[in-house]
Amino acid sequence: AQKVTQAQTEISVVEKEDVTLDCVYETRDTTYYLFWYKQPPSGELVFLIRRNSFDEQNEISGRYSWNFQKSTSSFNFTITASQVVDSAVYFCALRRSQGNLIFGKGTKLSVKP
Amino acid sequence: DAGVIQSPRHEVTEMGQEVTLRCKPISGHNSLFWYRQTMMRGLELLIYFNNNVPIDDSGMPEDRFSAKMPNASFSTLKIQPSEPRDSAVYFCASSLDTRSGNTIYFGEGSWLTVV
Repeated sequence: AQKVTQAQTEISVVEKEDVTLDCVYETRDTTYYLFWYKQPPSGELVFLIRRNSFDEQNEISGRYSWNFQKSTSSFNFTITASQVVDSAVYFCALRRSQGNLIFGKGTKLSVKP
Repeated sequence: DAGVIQSPRHEVTEMGQEVTLRCKPISGHNSLFWYRQTMMRGLELLIYFNNNVPIDDSGMPEDRFSAKMPNASFSTLKIQPSEPRDSAVYFCASSLDTRSGNTIYFGEGSWLTVV
């Protein structure tokens, strides 16, 4: 069975705090991809990152970083020095070979000034 | 570059009416997906096409829902008759193909309210 779990339903931080969004996945496939999407209050789904199952290198993009650990089936997302514009719902998703995206329930992040 | 284009962005309709949602995928993308987002169920796949052929429609709720892709640049999702429980955001998305390494890009969604 394929499953993505985002245990944190809502997180609230004050601007400039660092925040980590957790994502745990389940799959029996050896080849798969993991994704993060952002859904701001305006409602669209914005692609943030893609990571394949054979690449466990961490990735940094500006204030965003991702930590992929196959041993714990986790793909966590950290925002450093959070800003109000980071307020959104963030979705972690799994895509297996020849398949669609399976989403977690999302984590709503509120960054207060 | 144009992204996935959906119409209408917002629709309010009365129960029993037919609703048609439209989607234009990114040019050159061969896979097209319809997702539905609700508070209760989150984001769930309804159906996806590859090269205009439906591959998996197991997520289509019931016979009231139908989807077509007559050509590579257009798809529709139809609900007939609509019911209040169909109120949701419907996203269309596309990717180069069905391989897992290809990113799925989403449209802005069609916000449907059935009263």
